[in-house]
Amino acid sequence: EVQLVESGGGLVKPGGSLTLSCAASGFTFTDAWMSWVRQAPGKGLEWVGRIRSKTDGGTIDYLAPVKGRFTISRDDSKNTVYLQMDSLKSEDTAVYYCTTGISRDGRDYWGQGTLVTVSS
Amino acid sequence: EIVLTQSPDTLSLSPGERATLSCRASQSVSGNYLAWFQQKPGQAPRLLIYAASSRATGIPDRFSGSGSGTDFTLTINRLEPEDFAAYYCQQYGGSPPLTFGGGTKVEIK
Repeated sequence: EVQLVESGGGLVKPGGSLTLSCAASGFTFTDAWMSWVRQAPGKGLEWVGRIRSKTDGGTIDYLAPVKGRFTISRDDSKNTVYLQMDSLKSEDTAVYYCTTGISRDGRDYWGQGTLVTVSS
Repeated sequence: EIVLTQSPDTLSLSPGERATLSCRASQSVSGNYLAWFQQKPGQAPRLLIYAASSRATGIPDRFSGSGSGTDFTLTINRLEPEDFAAYYCQQYGGSPPLTFGGGTKVEIK
C-alpha cells in the first residue's frame, strides 16, 4: 500500500522558517518525481514545486512566488522528500500536501496534508 | 505559464442530473496532459481523469473527460450524493509551473 505521510507543520512567525517532511512507502521512491502542492484556507490548489528523480537529473522547479525562499530536497536513503521554507509570509499559510504527481498510467498519490500557519 | 480558467465557479444541481464543468487554458496544453481532481472538505484531492479523457483506477464510468488543446470538459452523468464536492483541473505535461484551475463547486440545489 502506498503511503505519503507529511509532518513538520505548525505555527510560525512572519520571517521565520519551517521544514516539512514527507515519508514515502509502498513504491519505488528513487524513481519518483515528487511535488508539493498547497491550499490556503478556503482557497484552491496551488502547485509549489517539484523535484525529479536522481536518474532524471534531480532538477527542481518552483512556483515563482516561493523561488529563493523555499527549497525542495530528497533523501532517497530515507524515502523522504523535504520542503524547507524560509522568510515565511502570511500568504504562505496553507495546508501543504506532498504528491507523486500523475504517472503515465494514471496513478497518483497524495499525503494527508500538514497545516502551516504564518502569523504573529 | 499556462493559466487555467474553470467555469462556472459554482454549479447547483439535484441528484440524478448531469454536471458539465469547463476548463479553458490560456495556451495549448502539451500532450493534452490535463487532469481532473475531486476534493471534499478536509480531504486530499482525488484523481478522476488524466490525459484529458482517461479515467483513473476505480473511478465510476459516470465521470468522463473530453477536449483537447485549450478547451476541456468534465461531465458527471446522473449525479450521486457523494459527487457534491469541489473539482479542479490541472495541466501537468508542459514546463512548470504545473498549474491548477480555480475550481468549480458542485452543490446540491
